Amino acid sequence: DAKTTQPPSMDCAEGRAANLPCNHSTISGNEYVYWYRQIHSQGPQYIIHGLKNNETNEMASLIITEDRKSSTLILPHATLRDTAVYYCIVKSNTGKLIFGQGTTLQVKP
Amino acid sequence: SAVISQKPSRDICQRGTSLTIQCQVDSQVTMMFWYRQQPGQSLTLIATANQGSEATYESGFVIDKFPISRPNLTFSTLTVSNMSPEDSSIYLCSVGDSDYEQYFGPGTRLTVT
Repeated sequence: DAKTTQPPSMDCAEGRAANLPCNHSTISGNEYVYWYRQIHSQGPQYIIHGLKNNETNEMASLIITEDRKSSTLILPHATLRDTAVYYCIVKSNTGKLIFGQGTTLQVKP
Repeated sequence: SAVISQKPSRDICQRGTSLTIQCQVDSQVTMMFWYRQQPGQSLTLIATANQGSEATYESGFVIDKFPISRPNLTFSTLTVSNMSPEDSSIYLCSVGDSDYEQYFGPGTRLTVT
């Protein structure tokens, strides 16, 4: 299974864009990049996923580099409620999601 | 998206006993997964449970300790057997209702004394 590398923590000012990076240099051609977040004591929440094109939904945008070795999750206007642990995951061909340590995003007023 | 409920939401158990956690989904799903999240840690996959077949366990997890049932496409149980304080964790059920989407339940917070 392809592994991901994320910074352990990041800060963001409320109202500003939060850009969360992720490296996945061993990703295979047909493996998807998924992003989840976990707000304290809750189950992980699905945010977005992509294969090679950039994706956008009501929560976030996902930018994947052309070589697919890294990606960035963008929260366009971070709020205090976006404070959470964000997980970047490469979904294996078996369908399993293997979680890394994630990035703890702290949104500050 | 699938709506997932787990019972119990939390429990405090004595060492040596067993606890069965239930996971109920509001729609039929092919793939169900059980995760463990130890205090301050990320999620670790315990096993994959597909209806009609034996659960597939990840390295470090065995059926005798974590027996799983999957009687139909909307329900599964995970039993934590012969518990010790090291089993104190949040246990999460997850379901995949397509090739792309996977959703998580609220978790069961287990404390073993």
